[in-house]
Amino acid sequence: DAEITQSPRHKITETGRQVTLACHQTWNHNNMFWYRQDLGHGLRLIHYSYGVHDTNKGEVSDGYSVSRSNTEDLPLTLESAASSQTSVYFCASETENTGELFFGEGSRLTVL
Amino acid sequence: KQEVTQIPAALSVPEGENLVLNCSFTDSAIYNLQWFRQDPGKGLTSLLLIQSSQREQTSGRLNASLDKSSGRSTLYIAASQPGDSATYLCAVRSRGGNQFYFGTGTSLTVIP
Repeated sequence: DAEITQSPRHKITETGRQVTLACHQTWNHNNMFWYRQDLGHGLRLIHYSYGVHDTNKGEVSDGYSVSRSNTEDLPLTLESAASSQTSVYFCASETENTGELFFGEGSRLTVL
Repeated sequence: KQEVTQIPAALSVPEGENLVLNCSFTDSAIYNLQWFRQDPGKGLTSLLLIQSSQREQTSGRLNASLDKSSGRSTLYIAASQPGDSATYLCAVRSRGGNQFYFGTGTSLTVIP
């Protein structure tokens, strides 16, 4: 079955370190998204991509970057991790014909 | 900007009861609306997707309705079971927009 996977599922890092969260989908979807989920804020969009070499900023993009070198992967990089980036991160992809969103299981990041 | 609201934030019901979860949105120019379920520590699982041209969708004990003119959607759960305990989120995809707008969810507890 096609799926969307995230890794690592849990990570603890220190302030100032670079961190990359991986997202891989096997549906061949062009549209992919990164969200963070925090208590009191719900899901907030970080970055999104509509295809290879396309990347766009969401509402909370500061301190994050993404790259899209192929259809399957959209890695999220925290250039210099900050305690405010402690959160649960979700990757999602969208079917183009119906607009249905599918989510990965999430990556819990703790920045000490 | 589209705003999505889910009330109540939490709901507790006895097993076997039929229940309705509410989702309201401010801009009626939507492409679709999607209901998700999220279990603790897990990702979002798609339950039902309603296109803007549709009035309702059904899957098993779940029925979702959409009234664009009033900016409302409801998720009806029949004969609730303890396994239905989870957080339920709705998300709206606006026409012409690049984002999905999420509510903050309703946390449902079904008491055996």
